[in-house]
Amino acid sequence: NAGVTQTPKFQVLKTGQSMTLQCAQDMNHEYMSWYRQDPGMGLRLIHYSVGAGITDQGEVPNGYNVSRSTTEDFPLRLLSAAPSQTSVYFCASSYSSGAGRETQYFGPGTRLLVL
Amino acid sequence: AQSVTQLDSHVSVSEGTPVLLRCNYSSSYSPSLFWYVQHPNKGLQLLLKYTSAATLVKGINGFEAEFKKSETSFHLTKPSAHMSDAAEYFCVVSAFTGGGNKLTFGTGTQLKVEL
Repeated sequence: NAGVTQTPKFQVLKTGQSMTLQCAQDMNHEYMSWYRQDPGMGLRLIHYSVGAGITDQGEVPNGYNVSRSTTEDFPLRLLSAAPSQTSVYFCASSYSSGAGRETQYFGPGTRLLVL
Repeated sequence: AQSVTQLDSHVSVSEGTPVLLRCNYSSSYSPSLFWYVQHPNKGLQLLLKYTSAATLVKGINGFEAEFKKSETSFHLTKPSAHMSDAAEYFCVVSAFTGGGNKLTFGTGTQLKVEL
């Protein structure tokens, strides 16, 4: 199994540009989520999905869109990039939402710089 | 509501000496608690988790943590540090909130291991 994969690994954008961060998992996990990691702030949840066709907002959803058309893929879209979105983005998945007890499997991250 | 406080942002130890990384939590629900490790430029990896079974939890690479409800703590320990333990460690509290898994991350503790 490849686990959780993310592309690209690194991206530079100009303010106002849009892009999609890709996330895929091959473990047949129902639950997938996106986090951003900023220095001194831990990881903060952007959006999550409990299954194909179902998504919901996390703690910091503004400026981001998601969709979940398949179990495997959970792309994150930046609609109009802003410097405040400079961060490291992690995708994670787990077998289910599991009453909060499931181990999360994280991708290697995407480093995004918005100029 | 739930929160996590990692009491030290940086910890420095000598190789072969004990490691203690401190974590306090609060949660309105019966929580699950996790420790994740992040090596430089990598994704997060599960070290260990507590899910209301034994209060002393053993994880990978010789780490363990004890859930103390009376003290609302979940400190991470290792008897003897190794150079390869140098990384950032995150304490995470999780509870099921009806809308799915809600994970709250601490701000991280950077562990430095010196010769």
